[in-house]
Amino acid sequence: EDQVTQSPEALRLQEGESSSLNCSYTVSGLRGLFWYRQDPGKGPEFLFTLYSAGEEKEKERLKATLTKKESFLHITAPKPEDSATYLCAVQLSAGNMLTFGGGTRLMVKP
Amino acid sequence: DGGITQSPKYLFRKEGQNVTLSCEQNLNHDAMYWYRQDPGQGLRLIYYSQIVNDFQKGDIAEGYSVSREKKESFPLTVTSAQKNPTAFYLCASSTFFSGDTEAFFGQGTRLTVV
Repeated sequence: EDQVTQSPEALRLQEGESSSLNCSYTVSGLRGLFWYRQDPGKGPEFLFTLYSAGEEKEKERLKATLTKKESFLHITAPKPEDSATYLCAVQLSAGNMLTFGGGTRLMVKP
Repeated sequence: DGGITQSPKYLFRKEGQNVTLSCEQNLNHDAMYWYRQDPGQGLRLIYYSQIVNDFQKGDIAEGYSVSREKKESFPLTVTSAQKNPTAFYLCASSTFFSGDTEAFFGQGTRLTVV
C-alpha cells in the first residue's frame, strides 16, 4: 500500500533557528514529489516539485531535497511569517492524483 | 487572473440534506480533483476527473457525487448518505497529458452540519 508519512507533526522554532521537516514514502513508481504550504483556513500553495533522487530546489529560506525513500524541507533562519502547515504529496506513475502526508505544523516565534 | 474559484466559502447543512459545492477553473487544465481535509490532518481524495464527462472514485467517495460536463467546472454534491460531512473541502486542478503536473488549489469550502 502506498504511504506518505511526515514528521514531526508539529515543530516550534525560535526565529533564526534552522531545522528540517521530513517526508518519507513507500510507493510503487514515483512520478514526482510535491511540497505545499498551507495557511489556516486557506488552500495549499504550491512550493516545489522534485522528480528524481539527488534533485534539490530552493526558494528564499526553503530548500527541498529528494532521496529514493524520503524528502526533506530545510528551513534556514526562519521568520515568524514562515509559520504554516507544510504538506508533502507523492504522484504515482500510474496517474496524476496526489497522495498527501499528514503535514507538519511549523510555528516560528519571534 | 487565472485560478480556481470555490464557492461558497462557508456552507451549513441540515441533517438529511444534499448540498453542492462549486469549483470553477480558468487555467485550461484537463484534470480536476476534490479533496477532504479534517482538522489537523492531511488531504484525502474524494473524486477526480481527467477529461470531460469522465470521473473516478478516490479513496473516500462514499456519500459524495460529482459531474464534469464542462472542462472548467467540477461540482461536488455531498449527499445525505455521507454520515460525517463536516470538513474543509478543497478543489484542485492540473494538466494531465503533458508538462508540469503540480496541482493548484482553490481556497476551500468549510462545510458544517447543523
